[in-house]
Amino acid sequence: AQSVTQLDSHVSVSEGTPVLLRCNYSSSYSPSLFWYVQHPNKGLQLLLKYTSAATLVKGINGFEAEFKKSETSFHLTKPSAHMSDAAEYFCVVSDPVGRGSTLGRLYFGRGTQLTVWP
Amino acid sequence: DGGITQSPKYLFRKEGQNVTLSCEQNLNHDAMYWYRQDPGQGLRLIYYSQIVNDFQKGDIAEGYSVSREKKESFPLTVTSAQKNPTAFYLCASNPGAGNTIYFGEGSWLTVV
Repeated sequence: AQSVTQLDSHVSVSEGTPVLLRCNYSSSYSPSLFWYVQHPNKGLQLLLKYTSAATLVKGINGFEAEFKKSETSFHLTKPSAHMSDAAEYFCVVSDPVGRGSTLGRLYFGRGTQLTVWP
Repeated sequence: DGGITQSPKYLFRKEGQNVTLSCEQNLNHDAMYWYRQDPGQGLRLIYYSQIVNDFQKGDIAEGYSVSREKKESFPLTVTSAQKNPTAFYLCASNPGAGNTIYFGEGSWLTVV
């Protein structure tokens, strides 16, 4: 079964400092992995997606994530935080194509709330 | 512009009432999903549909019902059997297996 663990429920950084949001996953197959961002009272927006191509994935707004199979991790990073990055971030794993009946069903971590101080 | 439209944004329900949340997409996506979001719990899948006239229960389907009579529409009914319905509800869609899922802006349901 798929599962996702976001290791920190809250992360606080100062503007201009690096951001690290940690995610570990469990999957019986080669997974598709995603990071989504949610601003207050809004839907979720895709930041980036890993689907077995390059292990370092670049996303929008300067975010990137590295897939490490040996560590079953998919941590999200950004070199320099901006005030507009304050939001909740979700790490997500998907059933791979052709496996089981759920066909692309997503499994969500519990989220990491990122606070950015001026 | 293509997208997913959820309505209403805010809804209040009296105990014992059924309410229906609307979800419409013009992305021509086959698959549609309903998620419930509670603070600190991420998103939990209520129902999903991979094709018109077909849908499956997710992890927390009790007290909810759906229909998929048209490709564009996937309404969610929160019935009186749902004991704790106050939550943020998100509708989503994707073209099919392995593809990125796109989300609507969500609907807040509060029981008064």
